[in-house]
Amino acid sequence: DIVMTQSPDSLAVSLGERATINCKSSQSILYSSNNKNYLAWYQQKPGQPPKLLIYWASTRESGVPDRFSGSGSGTDFTLTISSLQAEDVAVYYCQQYYITPPTFGQGTNLDIK
Amino acid sequence: QVHLVQSGAEVKKPGASVKVSCKTSGYNFTTYAIHWVRQAPGHRLEWMGTINTDNGNTRYSRKFQGRVTITRDTSATTAYMELSTLRSEDTAVYYCARNVLTTIFWFFDLWGRGSLVTVSS
Repeated sequence: DIVMTQSPDSLAVSLGERATINCKSSQSILYSSNNKNYLAWYQQKPGQPPKLLIYWASTRESGVPDRFSGSGSGTDFTLTISSLQAEDVAVYYCQQYYITPPTFGQGTNLDIK
Repeated sequence: QVHLVQSGAEVKKPGASVKVSCKTSGYNFTTYAIHWVRQAPGHRLEWMGTINTDNGNTRYSRKFQGRVTITRDTSATTAYMELSTLRSEDTAVYYCARNVLTTIFWFFDLWGRGSLVTVSS
């Protein structure tokens, strides 16, 4: 199975500041035939299910604010929130869908400083 | 409005089985696969298996093979996940999640609110 490792485990950022979450896969999840990275990001607020934010490593799901962006390729990926809002407090997970089983990172807990 | 509504919390004894339901509405049930993902306390999200809601074909995680059964009732637009031979480590929130439209890519655009299963003697 592909192991997904996120860093940091927790993060506190001031309102309006940038938040950066990293995700590393144990093998490349870039499919050379279509040049796509098989990576998604989810946001999970307390007491709620995960919500899809980004897929193909950098494509925002419909309705997701443009302050959320994804980048990276191969084995190293980043989720960036350009200007943190209070409603962004949540746990963020990356997930690979390159091979079965799909696997998730351990999560990054994002809070307000 | 598109919804996945899951059944309520359950408390089970070790060795028992549990069956969780996921009632869908607001879209064509047989167009999207359904997956089951669980989240145990202090653990990451863990994929359990999936069902093609059109033909009923299933695929399971090796970890749960032999203990998990995923089914669907197309007339009720509902998917089910049954986990048998429960042990304390199976205490978790169990989510159903809808696959995105392109079924070969397994990421999830809609999730149920989760069903807490507690295994305790």
